[in-house]
Amino acid sequence: DIQMTQSPSSLSASVGDRVTITCRASQSIGTYLNWYQQKPGTAPKLLIYIASSLQSGVPSRFSGSGSGTDFTLTISSLQPEDFATYYCQQSYSTLWTFGQGTRVEIK
Amino acid sequence: EVQLVESGGALVQPGGSLRLSCAASGFTFSDHYMEWVRQAPGKGLEWVGRSRNKANSYTTAYAASVQGRFTISRDNSKNSLYLQMNSLITEDTAVYYCARGGQGWPLDSWGQGTLVTVSS
Repeated sequence: DIQMTQSPSSLSASVGDRVTITCRASQSIGTYLNWYQQKPGTAPKLLIYIASSLQSGVPSRFSGSGSGTDFTLTISSLQPEDFATYYCQQSYSTLWTFGQGTRVEIK
Repeated sequence: EVQLVESGGALVQPGGSLRLSCAASGFTFSDHYMEWVRQAPGKGLEWVGRSRNKANSYTTAYAASVQGRFTISRDNSKNSLYLQMNSLITEDTAVYYCARGGQGWPLDSWGQGTLVTVSS
């Protein structure tokens, strides 16, 4: 299976900060990388697909980049509603895998 | 509007069986891959398996952790997806989500989830 490793596992940030989360795949996955946001008690929500495409309705402060094995999710100016856990996920192989998650907390 | 509603979660003893259902609406169900994803309490997301679409003969795929114990099926006349879980173990305790997906494509719509607890 393809292993997905996110860093950091958690971070503390303030409203207005620029936040970057990285995701590394154990082998090349092209751009078959998706990002999700999950708030407590709710289902995950798709933010970014195919590494850099913004899902409809998602604010433009979210962006994604990368290809091959290294990917990045950036929040350009953190808003109160962005405090959540973020997961990357590869859709390259038949058996999908997720990163372990990055919890974004209020500083 | 795409809507996915899971049901069937319950408390079950180790070694037992359970069938989850996912009712879909708002899209042409047979055209889409459908996936199951689970989340153990306080843990991350784990892909469980998929039912491919009509063009791919509704074939299935499973994570190694459930292969041979779980079976995914669908009834396209009822726009419903199912997850039959047998030989349940405590590690199967999780919220189970159904989601719309596709090979190379993301999980763009999710249900609200249903809780399965495996405990004696």
